[in-house]
Amino acid sequence: QKEVEQDPGPLSVPEGAIVSLNCTYSNSAFQYFMWYRQYSRKGPELLMYTYSSGNKEDGRFTAQVDKSSKYISLFIRDSQPSDSATYLCAMTPPRGGNMLTFGGGTRLMVKP
Amino acid sequence: DAGVIQSPRHEVTEMGQEVTLRCKPISGHNSLFWYRQTMMRGLELLIYFNNNVPIDDSGMPEDRFSAKMPNASFSTLKIQPSEPRDSAVYFCASRPQDNQPQHFGDGTRLSIL
Repeated sequence: QKEVEQDPGPLSVPEGAIVSLNCTYSNSAFQYFMWYRQYSRKGPELLMYTYSSGNKEDGRFTAQVDKSSKYISLFIRDSQPSDSATYLCAMTPPRGGNMLTFGGGTRLMVKP
Repeated sequence: DAGVIQSPRHEVTEMGQEVTLRCKPISGHNSLFWYRQTMMRGLELLIYFNNNVPIDDSGMPEDRFSAKMPNASFSTLKIQPSEPRDSAVYFCASRPQDNQPQHFGDGTRLSIL
């Protein structure tokens, strides 16, 4: 079993829909959580970075962390065709844990 | 603010040739990471440096792979000799300090024929 599980998709939604992307993890040492967006033939781009359980909002994006359930989510409101990309979750333990553990990525397609 | 810069963007070469990938991290970042991405295995960490010193190279697949960071603004990943199974996208990332997120370059797409 992988340390971080992420549904590979593809997830296809109509423009304007609310999108929910999720990751589960097994290592309770993970304390820092990130979401990256990766367009085709580009590098991963940091979207959200959070430490605490609960919600963190940035524009149309909301990151949610539930450490008790070892479950993180990324919500995208009013999805746009430009949101079509692969979304990768990543996580790491606290200080001294330099290496990110990535999920396999979920491919999202937002159709006009 | 320039991001992480990688070169070349694409490399096609024949099996057995030496390949050198280059990375310029973001100025002021003290950690640098090399990753490999394939469809089958996703993103895999190969090696990372802290203050130009290699800290963990356990992800380097074989002795054919080597990485150096001669100064804070430059790193190389070398494959010698290259094999078709090395074909992948290689990413470099840098980070300002511990527990801060990593910032990625746009990668080098490597094809070994």
